[in-house]
Amino acid sequence: DQQVKQNSPSLSVQEGRISILNCDYTNSMFDYFLWYKKYPAEGPTFLISISSIKDKNEDGRFTVFLNKSAKHLSLHIVPSQPGDSAVYFCAAVGNNDMRFGAGTRLTVKP
Amino acid sequence: KAGVTQTPRYLIKTRGQQVTLSCSPISGHRSVSWYQQTPGQGLQFLFEYFSETQRNKGNFPGRFSGRQFSNSRSEMNVSTLELGDSALYLCASTSSSGVWRTDTQYFGPGTRLTVL
Repeated sequence: DQQVKQNSPSLSVQEGRISILNCDYTNSMFDYFLWYKKYPAEGPTFLISISSIKDKNEDGRFTVFLNKSAKHLSLHIVPSQPGDSAVYFCAAVGNNDMRFGAGTRLTVKP
Repeated sequence: KAGVTQTPRYLIKTRGQQVTLSCSPISGHRSVSWYQQTPGQGLQFLFEYFSETQRNKGNFPGRFSGRQFSNSRSEMNVSTLELGDSALYLCASTSSSGVWRTDTQYFGPGTRLTVL
């Protein structure tokens, strides 16, 4: 069962604009959320995380928002750069389990 | 500091065979986790080892097993391979704080397994 869903398989944005990647989860036991970025032929790299006690965490151009009531989180990248083009995975952790979304391929056009 | 290394990078096996994959974590990291990535299911957690003990386990059949050595290197074994086991197998290591869930995980490049 897909407890973590990224409903958009792909997203294309113009350089300098905002990229918004979305992630939904169904299990209320999840209490920690992470975003990873993956380039071809490389393993995922950690981007940013958020605990369920917060609703926002910011790190440079990356901000993650968490809406617990909606079981929804999003990753905002501002401004988007061509080097941000990659596959982005959200992950949810809770109850000694870790689940990933299927990923969203972001393309940032110059 | 060297990153997480995985060997081999590519592997082709036939149904019914068994396979062993290897992962060397970042020096000083004591936790190693294994993941399976497939186009249909995305990234799925297999298991996590800390100080040679399996500490967490995902929802995979018993054909998937692993172990960790005293130097923190880890191996993953899949027996009686099935076509559906074709995937990218990733391992990740974290620092020794013991808090698997929240420590930043550093991933290796993965082993691409193809089962024919």
